[in-house]
Amino acid sequence: QKEVEQDPGPLSVPEGAIVSLNCTYSNSAFQYFMWYRQYSRKGPELLMYTYSSGNKEDGRFTAQVDKSSKYISLFIRDSQPSDSATYLCATGGDAGNMLTFGGGTRLMVKP
Amino acid sequence: ETGVTQSPTHLIKTRGQQVTLRCSSQSGHNTVSWYQQALGQGPQFIFQYYREEENGRGNFPPRFSGLQFPNYSSELNVNALELDDSALYLCASSLRGSTDTQYFGPGTRLTVL
Repeated sequence: QKEVEQDPGPLSVPEGAIVSLNCTYSNSAFQYFMWYRQYSRKGPELLMYTYSSGNKEDGRFTAQVDKSSKYISLFIRDSQPSDSATYLCATGGDAGNMLTFGGGTRLMVKP
Repeated sequence: ETGVTQSPTHLIKTRGQQVTLRCSSQSGHNTVSWYQQALGQGPQFIFQYYREEENGRGNFPPRFSGLQFPNYSSELNVNALELDDSALYLCASSLRGSTDTQYFGPGTRLTVL
């Protein structure tokens, strides 16, 4: 079993839809949770970064962490075609140290 | 503030050869981590360098080695290349002791024939 599991998709939604992306993790020592967006053949770009359980909102993006169930989510409101990318969840026990990634979910937002 | 840069952008090698990839960390950062991302998968941690020493290593053989220089830039060296080494190699920098996370460069795409 992988330490971080993520549905690979692809997930196809119409423009304007609310998107829900999810990951589960197994290591209770993980305390930092990130979502990265990666366009084809590019490096991952940090979208959201949270510590501990709860919600964090930034514009159209909301990250949610439930440490009791080891479940992390990313919600995208009013999705745009430019949101089409692969979304990677990542966790770690220490913010600047080794990150463990999920396999990524490919999202396609159709005009 | 300059972001993480990597060179070269892409390169092609043959099996058995050696390769060196380079990374310049984001200004103000003192720690560099390297990841390997195979096609269709998430990045896998190779190792991290802090104060010019290896500080943590993932499940990669010794033919993967690295260096960090006094200006915090770093190199990843891979000896005896194998076909499975074909991947996107990502460098990420961070500031040790802060609660901030890692920021990634654009990656170097390595193809081994």
